[in-house]
Amino acid sequence: KNEVEQSPQNLTAQEGEFITINCSYSVGISALHWLQQHPGGGIVSLFMLSSGKKKHGRLIATINIQEKHSSLHITASHPRDSAVYICAVYDKIIFGKGTRLHILP
Amino acid sequence: ETGVTQSPTHLIKTRGQQVTLRCSSQSGHNTVSWYQQALGQGPQFIFQYYREEENGRGNFPPRFSGLQFPNYSSELNVNALELDDSALYLCASRPRLAGGSGELFFGEGSRLTVL
Repeated sequence: KNEVEQSPQNLTAQEGEFITINCSYSVGISALHWLQQHPGGGIVSLFMLSSGKKKHGRLIATINIQEKHSSLHITASHPRDSAVYICAVYDKIIFGKGTRLHILP
Repeated sequence: ETGVTQSPTHLIKTRGQQVTLRCSSQSGHNTVSWYQQALGQGPQFIFQYYREEENGRGNFPPRFSGLQFPNYSSELNVNALELDDSALYLCASRPRLAGGSGELFFGEGSRLTVL
């Protein structure tokens, strides 16, 4: 079993839908990072959190340390949100395999 | 403030050759880490450097080696290339913060193809 599991692996939704991507981990962590990767490879940091909730624009990230689980939510999704979303945990740096999101216009 | 830059962006090598990939850290960042990302997979941690010393390594053989320079830029060297080494190699830098880990900032990656 992978130490960091993401679900779903692939997600296709219509523009405007509310999106949830989940990340569960089995190791002790000091922080969790949500990343966005567009075709071509570049990775952009979305959130880094160690407790509670963070919001930036239409993106919201939550983490429950006791349950070892984090979620990334996208409200009012848009085709430009189409990308691979990856969660990563620290201090032993472990990445999930990513969730491929495709938003249809 | 410049971001993380990697070079080259693409390269093709043949099996058995050696390759050097380069990374310039974001200004003010003293920790750099390297990752291998195969097609359709998440990045895999190769190693991390802090103040020119390796201070963490993933499950990669010794033919993967690295350097960090006094200006915090870094190199990844891979010897005796194998076909399975074909991947996107990502570099990330971060500040080393007391009490925790700083946020990672990634370069655009170097895409290596081994024929």
